[in-house]
Amino acid sequence: DTAVSQTPKYLVTQMGNDKSIKCEQNLGHDTMYWYKQDSKKFLKIMFSYNNKELIINETVPNRFSPKSPDKAHLNLHINSLELGDSAVYFCASSQGQTNNSPLHFGNGTRLTVT
Amino acid sequence: GNSVTQMEGPVTLSEEAFLTINCTYTATGYPSLFWYVQYPGEGLQLLLKATKADDKGSNKGFEATYRKETTSFHLEKGSVQVSDSAVYFCALSLGGGGNKLTFGTGTQLKVEL
Repeated sequence: DTAVSQTPKYLVTQMGNDKSIKCEQNLGHDTMYWYKQDSKKFLKIMFSYNNKELIINETVPNRFSPKSPDKAHLNLHINSLELGDSAVYFCASSQGQTNNSPLHFGNGTRLTVT
Repeated sequence: GNSVTQMEGPVTLSEEAFLTINCTYTATGYPSLFWYVQYPGEGLQLLLKATKADDKGSNKGFEATYRKETTSFHLEKGSVQVSDSAVYFCALSLGGGGNKLTFGTGTQLKVEL
């Protein structure tokens, strides 16, 4: 069974559109994350939620809006997509927020904006 | 600020060769250190971790020792296999406030027969 699943796997869209990426984890974890991986494989955190509450909000344009309806789900909505948003977006989860809590990642959503 | 520096890739080795991927870090506190591996088309998987100085993390033949004096966490494996071909990420976490992982830029490893 997939522990952290995200949909869709691939997303191709035009500039200016609005799109959403969904993420679900069945590990019973209480903390979820969104990371962005650019074309050079560099990974940077975008958001973190703990029990549906926003904990980390890095310097991300407000066109990106995460939503956590419950602690097993963290969705990412992106408004007015731009070319620079093209990247692979990874959802992850962990149990707790201590630095001993390893992250479990989904397989990523490759977003291409044309 | 906190940062992680890894050796640039790609690293190309023959099967059964010895592997070292260097990683050094800068942190304002006492971080936990991690190595994650990303196979093609997949998400990252935790490979090993160490939470305090002189700890050695190990898994699947890979090892890394937390060296506080040199602020390093180099990844080693005595004999690599073709199946080890992947991108390897060194990362640190100071925990609290969301357990934010700071990643290095990743090192691609290619193992050939």
